[in-house]
Amino acid sequence: DIQMTQSPSSLSASVGDRVTITCRASQTISSYLNWYQQKPGKAPKLLIYAASSLQSGVPSRFSGSGSGTDFTLTISSLQPEDFATYYCQQSYSTPYTFGQGTNLEIK
Amino acid sequence: EVQLVESGGGLIQPGGSLRLSCAASGFTVSSNYMNWVRQAPGKGLEWVSVIYSGGSTYYADSVKGRFTISRDNSKNTLYLQMNSLRAEDTAVYYCGRGDWHFDLWGRGTLVTVSS
Repeated sequence: DIQMTQSPSSLSASVGDRVTITCRASQTISSYLNWYQQKPGKAPKLLIYAASSLQSGVPSRFSGSGSGTDFTLTISSLQPEDFATYYCQQSYSTPYTFGQGTNLEIK
Repeated sequence: EVQLVESGGGLIQPGGSLRLSCAASGFTVSSNYMNWVRQAPGKGLEWVSVIYSGGSTYYADSVKGRFTISRDNSKNTLYLQMNSLRAEDTAVYYCGRGDWHFDLWGRGTLVTVSS
């Protein structure tokens, strides 16, 4: 199975900050990497697919990059509604594993 | 409206069985890859199973041989039959649409396995 490791596990930041979350795969996954946002009690929401494609309706302050084994999610200017947990997920092969999550908190 | 609605969760004793349903509207289940993803209380997301549009199915090792994914095209509904349930299967179960990425999710249904 492909292991996905996110860092950091938690992050404190302020409104307006630029934030980067990283995700590393245990083997190459090309660009089969997705990012989701989850708020408490809610279903996950797709933000970025295929490593760098912005899902329709998602604000342009979210961006993704990377290929192979190393990937990043960047939020260019944090907004109050962005405080949530973020997960990466590989869809290169089953089982479609998720990272452990990054909890983004208000500083 | 395009949406997924899960149902069928509840409290079940260890060793018991439960069938979850995921009713789709606004699109055709059989034309899409459909998945189940679960989240134990306070934990992260765990992919459980997928059924491809062609009918092939795949499972996480943790549920292989105990869970079965299926669909009813006439009802436009996805199912997850869960047998031999264990305490560690306690989670919110979400259905999700998508092949390489999951662009539509239901709200989830809670399964609690406890005596």
